[in-house]
Amino acid sequence: GQQVMQIPQYQHVQEGEDFTTYCNSSTTLSNIQWYKQRPGGHPVFLIQLVKSGEVKKQKRLTFQFGEAKKNSSLHITATQTTDVGTYFCADPNYGGSQGNLIFGKGTKLSVKP
Amino acid sequence: DAMVIQNPRYQVTQFGKPVTLSCSQTLNHNVMYWYQQKSSQAPKLLFHYYDKDFNNEADTPDNFQSRRPNTSFCFLDIRSPGLGDAAMYLCATSRMGVRYEQYFGPGTRLTVT
Repeated sequence: GQQVMQIPQYQHVQEGEDFTTYCNSSTTLSNIQWYKQRPGGHPVFLIQLVKSGEVKKQKRLTFQFGEAKKNSSLHITATQTTDVGTYFCADPNYGGSQGNLIFGKGTKLSVKP
Repeated sequence: DAMVIQNPRYQVTQFGKPVTLSCSQTLNHNVMYWYQQKSSQAPKLLFHYYDKDFNNEADTPDNFQSRRPNTSFCFLDIRSPGLGDAAMYLCATSRMGVRYEQYFGPGTRLTVT
């Protein structure tokens, strides 16, 4: 069954508003990855978080890994139309096998100009 | 540019007629993956090759097979496609190590008539 839960499933925002997607695991994660998939495109790696409590920033994107390494979030400040797509968190050690990605269900972001 | 290439981008096959999808990479990565992604769903790992070692996911149907004749190429064979196998098939590669982010190809969209 699904090991990584992600919410919300959909998010509609006005351009300029902030956006956050949350990922939760029932088990402690060694690390977590985030991917973005544009409409009609393929997943593109954004970042990997490894350390407990880690916070990483990429321009307007802020990624956090929980202290217990069971949750993670992606926050986008002042969304732009180029941010449209589905954001997936992923456990890259599914079943204890390094590299086996199990994706969350994703959060589909739409941005109204 | 180093990349992951999938051919064809669109494939139409008949119910029960075997079909082969191909993937090649110029990244010289030692791991290659096949994912199935249905509409509005997350990619689902089917199997992967770690060098020549084949690793099948427990719930991947026997109807799906894979071949990796060399480092650069990997094939997905669907022996008897059913209507439920219509999906986007994504190939991905990674280099095993500390980071092991995955690089996805553009995908092949399979239609079964």
